Amino acid sequence: EAGVAQSPRYKIIEKRQSVAFWCNPISGHATLYWYQQILGQGPKLLIQFQNNGVVDDSQLPKDRFSAERLKGVDSTLKIQPAKLEDSAVYLCASSLMVAGFYEQYFGPGTRLTVT
Amino acid sequence: QQQVKQSPQSLIVQKGGISIINCAYENTAFDYFPWYQQFPGKGPALLIAIRPDVSEKKEGRFTISFNKSAKQFSLHIMDSQPGDSATYFCAASKNNDMRFGAGTRLTVKP
Repeated sequence: EAGVAQSPRYKIIEKRQSVAFWCNPISGHATLYWYQQILGQGPKLLIQFQNNGVVDDSQLPKDRFSAERLKGVDSTLKIQPAKLEDSAVYLCASSLMVAGFYEQYFGPGTRLTVT
Repeated sequence: QQQVKQSPQSLIVQKGGISIINCAYENTAFDYFPWYQQFPGKGPALLIAIRPDVSEKKEGRFTISFNKSAKQFSLHIMDSQPGDSATYFCAASKNNDMRFGAGTRLTVKP
């Protein structure tokens, strides 16, 4: 079974530029998540989709971050304009319910450096 | 808000020793407690998970101990190997809302 795919793996941009990340979840996983992982910290949820609807985006900085999941499969996360503090690894995950609980599977992440 | 506190930040263990990582949570509504293992350049991978209705779960060399009254749980890695060197994250979840600890960087010395 193929895992969660993400691209690009690395991105370096200057502050105030825009950037977009792509995620393809595991086939059949209805729930998709975007996390931000700052160096030395645990992942922090940015947004959660159930199919193509948003379940939770309470921690998404909506003035600069946006995400969409058209057709309920692939998803893109965009940052515009980027700030220095956005430097982090952006992880995409998808989940499957197993015995009543959601097991989350993570992609390899995109490491963003904002200079 | 830090709902899951993890310690220690880093841990060095000799090969064959026992690695112990501890986590504490605040929200008693959490009902699913997974541990993730993350190697450099990779995403976190689910290692083992427990529900609050059991006090211990063992899978191979990995054991979760759970203390509901103290709101604490821990990961024990028996016979630690250099290949176990990674960052470990505990997490707590309710209704698919998962909160992660800050992580523990484990180094197992040969």
